[in-house]
Parts: sequence; structure tokens; C-alpha cells
Amino acid sequence: EAQVTQNPRYLITVTGKKLTVTCSQNMNHEYMSWYRQDPGLGLRQIYYSMNVEVTDKGDVPEGYKVSRKEKRNFPLILESPSPNQTSLYFCASSSLSGGTHNEQFFGPGTRLTVL
Amino acid sequence: AQSVSQHNHHVILSEAASLELGCNYSYGGTVNLFWYVQYPGQHLQLLLKYFSGDPLVKGIKGFEAEFIKSKFSFNLRKPSVQWSDTAEYFCAVMTNTGNQFYFGTGTSLTVIP
Repeated sequence: EAQVTQNPRYLITVTGKKLTVTCSQNMNHEYMSWYRQDPGLGLRQIYYSMNVEVTDKGDVPEGYKVSRKEKRNFPLILESPSPNQTSLYFCASSSLSGGTHNEQFFGPGTRLTVL
Repeated sequence: AQSVSQHNHHVILSEAASLELGCNYSYGGTVNLFWYVQYPGQHLQLLLKYFSGDPLVKGIKGFEAEFIKSKFSFNLRKPSVQWSDTAEYFCAVMTNTGNQFYFGTGTSLTVIP
């Protein structure tokens, strides 16, 4: 089954404790992306990756890191989480054909609470 | 940065009523346009998309949207809503000059049986 998976689905942590949220897709998609969803603000793009070893900042990259060492994986790293990073996080992937983006497939979301 | 505006934040309709959700974007060049739906507790799913060609696009579950370039709009419509359409709806834009997606703030739709 074609899917985007995220782990963990729920996480409660404390300020300053490094954490990683994993994202994996099995569709051989070139493009992967992380979003955070907050009430009244919709989805905002954190980072995206066009392919292996190619990453770029989205609209709200501060406090986050990513890496793309393999095509299927795109982990989101919070080196020193703060309460304002409490949010619902979505990973997404899409294929690129002829330089054009196709639809994004979204993962199930990770609800993060930073105390 | 580009912006995407969804003017209706909360919409409440009775079953069988017609629906139109507004979406406007700020970019003047070529765009790819999307509408996504998020049912309660679930992740986003694509309803429909516009890349080029016929500006009236049809999606799943009876939804359609019309791209009006002169108005920078991509409004979502459905002639007759059902209770199962209760969800949050997001408009999204990708410009041809970059690889970022821009989402609107979402419209929460509640359909009363």
C-alpha cells in the first residue's frame, strides 16, 4: 500500500530535550516536506527536499533541522524544543514529472507537546 | 512570501444546501492549485487540483473548483452537501518559481443533518 508513515504519532516532551520525528514514504517520491498545523494558521511549510541531499527552508524553519540521506526518509529534528513548537506535524511527499509537482500525499500526523 | 486567503473560516450548512468556499492567492505568475480535505482526526487528502487547461476542474465526491486567473481565485463548490462532508478544507498554491507550497488557513465546514 502506497503511504507516508510518521513516528511517533503522539509525543510529550520537555523543553530542551532533543527529539526526532521520522517520516518514510514507499512511493519513490522525489519531493518530501514537513508542515506544522496550528489553529487559525493552517499548514505552514517548515522544510522541504527536492531529492537526496537537497533540502531547503520553508516559511517557518527556525528551531528545526532536517536531513535527506535516503530517498524514502526525511526526519524532522528538534535540537532544543520549546513550548511554541507544540503543534501537529505532517510529513508529505510527491513525485516530480517534467519539473512539475504532482499531488502531495500526507502522513497521519504527529501531535507534539513541549512542556 | 506568497499568501493564500480563505475568507470563510467557519461555514455551517444544512444537508442538500449548496457550498462555495473562497480561495484567493497573491502570486501573479503561473500556479498549480489544490484543494485538500481533512476529516476529523485524519490526515489531508486531495480533493482536486488544477495545473493547466480547462479552468473548471472536477474532483472526488462531487466537488469542483473554478480557476479564475483575473481574480486570482480558485473557489471550491459542491451543489448539494452531505453530513459526511463535515471537515476542514484547505486551499493550497504552488508557484512556478519555487518548490514551496502555500496553504490557506482552512475553512471548517459543518453540515447539519
